[in-house]
Amino acid sequence: DVKVTQSSRYLVKRTGEKVFLECVQDMDHENMFWYRQDPGLGLRLIYFSYDVKMKEKGDIPEGYSVSREKKERFSLILESASTNQTSMYLCASSLDPNYGYSFGSGTRLSVV
Amino acid sequence: GNSVTQMEGPVTLSEEAFLTINCTYTATGYPSLFWYVQYPGEGLQLLLKATKADDKGSNKGFEATYRKETTSFHLEKGSVQVSDSAVYFCALSPFTSAGNKLTFGGGTRVLVKP
Repeated sequence: DVKVTQSSRYLVKRTGEKVFLECVQDMDHENMFWYRQDPGLGLRLIYFSYDVKMKEKGDIPEGYSVSREKKERFSLILESASTNQTSMYLCASSLDPNYGYSFGSGTRLSVV
Repeated sequence: GNSVTQMEGPVTLSEEAFLTINCTYTATGYPSLFWYVQYPGEGLQLLLKATKADDKGSNKGFEATYRKETTSFHLEKGSVQVSDSAVYFCALSPFTSAGNKLTFGGGTRVLVKP
């Protein structure tokens, strides 16, 4: 089974801090994704990447950036954390759309 | 564009009851369809999938049939357990998709009471 590992399960950060959320997958997948999940809003795509050093904006990229220097690692960066970025963040990877995604366990971020 | 609509929850059931979660979709071409499950405090896990019309996906007692004529992929389980309490997401992947993006429904929370 593909393993997608998110570095932290819970994080508490202060407003204005630069925050890094890390995601690593072990199956050589080209495609990686970052979502945020909020009550009543479902999953919203922030950014995705289909190759090393490639990135595409999703539906809600404002306030975020990403980095993909190696195929297995996809980092989400909050340049200056704000309280409205308090959320559950989910990373996913995929090889082929017909097989769906593999998700990490999520990082619950609180910005205070 | 592509979209997935699923019934709003929460759905509250007693143990051993029959569960149905409706899912309909809009897409061009011939998408693949998925059900994901999210247990409390966890990420999403793939529950089952179907890649063409009339396919039936099944896993852990859950089933869903890809109905192209009604653009639906309803999830069913004949006898639910307390451990099935979770949020269920329907999703589609277009046959051709830049970046392999899935489109998710809003999720349906299911609560099974003993």
